[in-house]
Amino acid sequence: KNQVEQSPQSLIILEGKNCTLQCNYTVSPFSNLRWYKQDTGRGPVSLTIMTFSENTKSNGRYTATLDADTKQSSLHITASQLSDSASYICVVSDRGSTLGRLYFGRGTQLTVWP
Amino acid sequence: EADIYQTPRYLVIGTGKKITLECSQTMGHDKMYWYQQDPGMELHLIHYSYGVNSTEKGDLSSESTVSRIRTEHFPLTLESARPSHTSQYLCASSDRVRGEQYFGPGTRLTVT
Repeated sequence: KNQVEQSPQSLIILEGKNCTLQCNYTVSPFSNLRWYKQDTGRGPVSLTIMTFSENTKSNGRYTATLDADTKQSSLHITASQLSDSASYICVVSDRGSTLGRLYFGRGTQLTVWP
Repeated sequence: EADIYQTPRYLVIGTGKKITLECSQTMGHDKMYWYQQDPGMELHLIHYSYGVNSTEKGDLSSESTVSRIRTEHFPLTLESARPSHTSQYLCASSDRVRGEQYFGPGTRLTVT
């Protein structure tokens, strides 16, 4: 069964600290993996997208890694800011369908305290 | 910022009412999607469209219906709202090349 599991479910850190969010997936055949940021009451916004051959990709203070062999990904946030408080969702796409089916994790709810 | 819009943003309505959630995009994307999301839960695909006059049901069974008469417009209709329909509804669209999905801000629906 194609699944995406994220950990931790929630995380609280102090402003300026770093953190790492985890994503494990069983989606096959794999096409790509994306990390989205979803602010409360808003739609998800894409942070990074990685294909099978990419191990790491950065977007400002966000750095995503992908290990396609172990089917794991992480999102590292450096020097956190209050505006980083949001849900971070790992999304994996398969290439077995014309639609490019997306499988969503439940997200990690990050809270950054001053 | 993606050019995809949803109205209304918030809706509180009584049981039995008919409602239409609007979604429009100005990016010329062929593919459009409707997702349902409950608090702390993953997004579930309820409807999608490959283009004009194309609509398909998603993975999560839904009593809602959709239409795609114009490329830019993908409204979702509930003929008779029930409290079980209370949820957040997210619309998205994607381009052909990268398949990147762009999400609207969502409609928070509460049925009393």
